Amino acid sequence: GESVGLHLPTLSVQEGDNSIINCAYSNSASDYFIWYKQESGKGPQFIIDIRSNMDKRQGQRVTVLLNKTVKHLSLQIAATQPGDSAVYFCAENHPNNTDKLIFGTGTRLQVFP
Amino acid sequence: EADIYQTPRYLVIGTGKKITLECSQTMGHDKMYWYQQDPGMELHLIHYSYGVNSTEKGDLSSESTVSRIRTEHFPLTLESARPSHTSQYLCASSTPTGAGRVAFFGQGTRLTVV
Repeated sequence: GESVGLHLPTLSVQEGDNSIINCAYSNSASDYFIWYKQESGKGPQFIIDIRSNMDKRQGQRVTVLLNKTVKHLSLQIAATQPGDSAVYFCAENHPNNTDKLIFGTGTRLQVFP
Repeated sequence: EADIYQTPRYLVIGTGKKITLECSQTMGHDKMYWYQQDPGMELHLIHYSYGVNSTEKGDLSSESTVSRIRTEHFPLTLESARPSHTSQYLCASSTPTGAGRVAFFGQGTRLTVV
C-alpha cells in the first residue's frame, strides 16, 4: 500500500551544525510534498513544500531536496538552532485524492549546545 | 499564521462520559480534518469534511463522530469515552495552493480517559 516513512526516529546535532532529515515515499505517482515541524505540545506547522517537477526548493535556512528516482526527499536545516528542536514530518498529497495528506512517522531533532 | 482553534487543550475524563472536542477556523477553508496522534508517533486521519453537511471516515477507524453544520466549525464527539481513546486529537483545515493542498493545524486536544 501507499506509505510515507522516515529513515531515522531521532537525530541529534550540535548547535550551529547543519541537519539533514530524510523521508522515503512509496508511491511514484505522488506529486506534492510538504514538511511540517511539530514542537512539543503544539500542532504541526508548515515549513516548506515542493512539487514533483522540482528537485530543490529553498526557504529561510531550510532546503528541501527531492529525488524522484529513488523516491526520497530530505529537509536540510542550516546552522541548526535550539529552537529547531522538534519532530519533523514529511507529508504527501494523496495522489488519487489531493484532499488527503499521508504523514510519515516523524523524526525527532535534538539540538545540543 | 493560521487561525484554527481547538478547545479544550487538555481534558481528563472518566470512562463512559460523552465528550465533544471543538475545532473552529476563521480562514473560510472548505476542507477540514481530524487526526489522532499518540506521543511521538505519526498522525492518523480519522475524519474529514469537504464542506458543510459533508463528513467522511478517514484511514484509521474511530468510534468518534463528527458534524459540519457550519463552514468554520468541525466538532468531534465521543459518545462513551474509554481509556483506549486516550490520545492527542489534532484538527486541521486546508486550502489549495498551485501545487496541492496545505493543511493548517490547531494546537491539539490531549485527551486522557481514566
